[in-house]
Amino acid sequence: DAGVIQSPRHEVTEMGQEVTLRCKPISGHNSLFWYRQTMMRGLELLIYFNNNVPIDDSGMPEDRFSAKMPNASFSTLKIQPSEPRDSAVYFCASSPRRGSPFFGANVLTFGAGSRLTVL
Amino acid sequence: AQSVTQPDIHITVSEGASLELRCNYSYGATPYLFWYVQSPGQGLQLLLKYFSGDTLVQGIKGFEAEFKRSQSSFNLRKPSVHWSDAAEYFCAGIAGGTSYGKLTFGQGTILTVHP
Repeated sequence: DAGVIQSPRHEVTEMGQEVTLRCKPISGHNSLFWYRQTMMRGLELLIYFNNNVPIDDSGMPEDRFSAKMPNASFSTLKIQPSEPRDSAVYFCASSPRRGSPFFGANVLTFGAGSRLTVL
Repeated sequence: AQSVTQPDIHITVSEGASLELRCNYSYGATPYLFWYVQSPGQGLQLLLKYFSGDTLVQGIKGFEAEFKRSQSSFNLRKPSVHWSDAAEYFCAGIAGGTSYGKLTFGQGTILTVHP
């Protein structure tokens, strides 16, 4: 398996522009998570999906952020309009179907991250 | 509130020395606990996990962790550190019995290894 695949790995954009980050989870995993990592705040959970349905988006900072999961193999995180304070590394992670951790539930596999810089 | 705390922001050890990274948790019931490692510019890699049974858990790269209910701790250990272990380490937890949901991460501990 290729693991969790994120794109782009690096994005530099100007304030006000739209940014779309993409994630392909591991095949067979049905939970998907978007995290943001900054020096000041550490790792923050933004939103997570189970079976393509958003379960908890309480971590999404504001309406400028939106996430979708149109199918089991693809998710996007969009920021519109972007601001300098959105600069961070955004991680996508996936985990297997719900059940016992013996079978991997709750064990997150992370992508390599998308480093976003908003000028 | 459910939380995971890593008291040490930065630890420096010499290569070959033993290592212990601290993690304390606060959950109503026995949580599921994890240690992840992040090398510079990389994503997080799972080192080991605890959810029940033996309180001493073995992981990859020679790491182990011990779950101590009486101390609400899940400290990560390695008997002899290698220079390649320099990275940031994260402890994480989730309420036990939860089949899916949010992992809570600690603040991370940066490990520096001196030659």
